[in-house]
Amino acid sequence: DVQMTQSPYNLAASPGESVSINCKASKSISKYLAWYQQKPGKANKLLIYDGSTLQSGIPSRFSGSRSGTDFTLTIRSLEPEDFGLYYCQQHNEFPFTFGSGTRLESK
Amino acid sequence: QVTLKESGPGILQPSQTLSLTCSFSGFSLSTYGMCVGWIRQSSGKGLEWLANIWWNDDKFYNPTLKNRLTISMDISNNRAFLKIINMDPADTATYHCVRGAGPARAYFDYWGQGVMVTVSS
Repeated sequence: DVQMTQSPYNLAASPGESVSINCKASKSISKYLAWYQQKPGKANKLLIYDGSTLQSGIPSRFSGSRSGTDFTLTIRSLEPEDFGLYYCQQHNEFPFTFGSGTRLESK
Repeated sequence: QVTLKESGPGILQPSQTLSLTCSFSGFSLSTYGMCVGWIRQSSGKGLEWLANIWWNDDKFYNPTLKNRLTISMDISNNRAFLKIINMDPADTATYHCVRGAGPARAYFDYWGQGVMVTVSS
């Protein structure tokens, strides 16, 4: 199985700041990585797929990038509603696997 | 508007069989290429993909759990199901129903909020 190593575990930032969350695949997954946001009491939200394609309806302050097996989710100019949990998922091969999550908290 | 909602027993004893139902709307599993899956989330293992079922009844399972899982669907009533046999306390988790997206239906564009399942004697 492809192991997804996500970092950092916790991240504290203030509204208006920019943050980055990283995910490293244990082997090549080409561009096939998705990012999700999780918030209490709400269904998980797909943010990005194929490494850098923004899902419809997601604000453009979210972006994804890739360098080899390293992937980054960047959120520019944080809004209050952006605080929560973030997960990456490789969608290159079965079984699909997830990162361990990053908790983005308000400083 | 796409929605998915899971239902299940809430609590089970070890060795029992878990039966989960996903009731969805806004799409149909009779549509070419459509897919529904199950993902669980526990404090110990994080998010774990379990199984997908496609419009043509193709099924893919996580090999780690394959011998214990059965995914099925009721196209007429817009429902999907997951059975897990021989439940263990380690299977305690929130179980999510998801819709597969993309050409390979390999990521998930809609999630249900999940149903909490506790395995305890």
